Parts: sequence; C-alpha cells; structure tokens
Amino acid sequence: SAVISQKPSRDICQRGTSLTIQCQVDSQVTMMFWYRQQPGQSLTLIATANQGSEATYESGFVIDKFPISRPNLTFSTLTVSNMSPEDSSIYLCSATVAGELFFGEGSRLTVL
Amino acid sequence: GQQVMQIPQYQHVQEGEDFTTYCNSSTTLSNIQWYKQRPGGHPVFLIQLVKSGEVKKQKRLTFQFGEAKKNSSLHITATQTTDVGTYFCAVFTTSGTYKYIFGTGTRLKVLA
Repeated sequence: SAVISQKPSRDICQRGTSLTIQCQVDSQVTMMFWYRQQPGQSLTLIATANQGSEATYESGFVIDKFPISRPNLTFSTLTVSNMSPEDSSIYLCSATVAGELFFGEGSRLTVL
Repeated sequence: GQQVMQIPQYQHVQEGEDFTTYCNSSTTLSNIQWYKQRPGGHPVFLIQLVKSGEVKKQKRLTFQFGEAKKNSSLHITATQTTDVGTYFCAVFTTSGTYKYIFGTGTRLKVLA
C-alpha cells in the first residue's frame, strides 16, 4: 500500500495567481498521476508525472498552465498557473502500487 | 481517447435493497478496476478483474467482468447506509502512455 500526503488541503486564491500543490508518497513508486475532479463529477487525468523527465499531459492540459515536477520517486508537485474561476476544483495526486491506485486526500482550490 | 461509461448516473435505494452499477466500453479492455469514493473523500481501490467472465466477491459486493471484456458490473446485496458514495470503474491502459482512465461514476444514496 501507499500513504500519500497532499498539501494544501484547501486554498482560496485570487484570479491571476499561481498555486503549487505538493504530493509526498511514503514509499518509492514508479507511476504518479495528477487528476482533477469537479464537484459531483468523475476524475479527469491531467498528466502522468514522470521521474527525471517531462510530464505527459492529456488532451486539454498543457505544461504552461499545469507545470509538474517529479524530482524523485516519492515526490511530485503540480502548479496551477494564472488561475481563473474555471480552475476551481479538487486536484488529486495518485500513485500506483502493485497495480492499485492510491490517492492523496485532495486539494480543494477556490479561485475568486 | 478511451472512454468508459457508467450507468446509472445516480441511484437512490432503500436500505436493504440491492444495487447494481454497470460499466461499458466500446473497446475491449485488458482489465477493469473498481473504486469507491465516500462523500468528501478520495477514491479507494476495491478490486481488479482481468479475465473474461471473471466474478469476484467481497462480502455483499459482487464484481463481474463481461465475456467480451467490454463491460463490467458491481452488485451490492442488501445495501447499508455505509455503502453510500460514488462507485467508479477504471481502466489501466498502456496505449500511448501508462494511465488510469475513470468511468463516469454512479452515485449511490441509501435511504434508511
């Protein structure tokens, strides 16, 4: 199993600012992912965080808007840049262990 | 890209009634996973199915993978209030990059 610590758990941000979400896993993992979940909706994959190389982004998500770092096998960050109210959502960090996806508690962002 | 649809979107049942959610794909799946997300929580892994026609049980929960590996179901017998939440199916895909794609989810409400 894996325990994933994610912070901040929630934040209220001003339009035009950027926020970085941190994700720490208690063990080394090969794959880490960042998801976005709107209230009452499913999980949408933003990108796969690759250790030692650039993240792999899904259609509709770009590096300039959502830069991701993965400096080692236990840590990743997601930055939401130049935020607008449409970026208000829950952002979830996840990692796989033995084929199972484990999630952090999520970061609930509200952009005013 | 890969899309996985779930029906129904919502289900309200009386406590003690049975509940079933269905997961459908237009393409053949190599595997299917099921997750449960309690209100305010993050998704938690329930099970993985990989074989055609596979059936697995966890207490009151029965999971089935279709013979053609294009659909799956989760059946809960005699629901309890602790079953409340949203149930997602998810597919681990290796086409292009390794990633998990989540279904649209079924939100279950159990009325006491």
